[in-house]
Amino acid sequence: SQKIEQNSEALNIQEGKTATLTCNYTNYSPAYLQWYRQDPGRGPVFLLLIRENEKEKRKERLKVTFDTTLKQSLFHITASQPADSATYLCALDTGGGFKTIFGAGTRLFVKA
Amino acid sequence: DGGITQSPKYLFRKEGQNVTLSCEQNLNHDAMYWYRQDPGQGLRLIYYSQIVNDFQKGDIAEGYSVSREKKESFPLTVTSAQKNPTAFYLCASSIPGTVGSSGGYTFGSGTRLTVV
Repeated sequence: SQKIEQNSEALNIQEGKTATLTCNYTNYSPAYLQWYRQDPGRGPVFLLLIRENEKEKRKERLKVTFDTTLKQSLFHITASQPADSATYLCALDTGGGFKTIFGAGTRLFVKA
Repeated sequence: DGGITQSPKYLFRKEGQNVTLSCEQNLNHDAMYWYRQDPGQGLRLIYYSQIVNDFQKGDIAEGYSVSREKKESFPLTVTSAQKNPTAFYLCASSIPGTVGSSGGYTFGSGTRLTVV
């Protein structure tokens, strides 16, 4: 079955460092992959989308990579700030935009 | 401001009771979705609707029902047949065919349902 995995352990980093979150998947070849931010008690907020033919995508302090051979996406936040503390979800397309699989998310804590 | 409004934020259900969660959007999106979120699990799709008066079952539709009488509204009813309804429910919307191009779903703030 299709599977998407994110590190269930929380990631703790110091302010100013780069946070790197991992999303691994199996048994599928998605056309694109999305990353979302979710704060406690709130709905996810869309951050970035990367397509299968793109190796890297950037938006301000965010960078996403997509390695279709490794079946892995990395999500980087550079110069991290305490306000970046949240849960980050990755999501895979399984065709047509209606059947998206979401990972359980990785909790990020940025300490001042 | 355009967005999705879910209500109520917190809802308590007694055993054997049906409850309805509201979802309204003013984004003019044709597609709407309901997801369920449980601790340690990814979002799971309950139902989705591509257009008014049409909806499709997702991966965990049993014990739930929806309607789509207006473009702006996609209410979810959690019926007594849903044996484990305690969860965080999220409504989302998108423009069909654009999730992979312009990117992403727009989510509401969620409703936390608890069985008492």
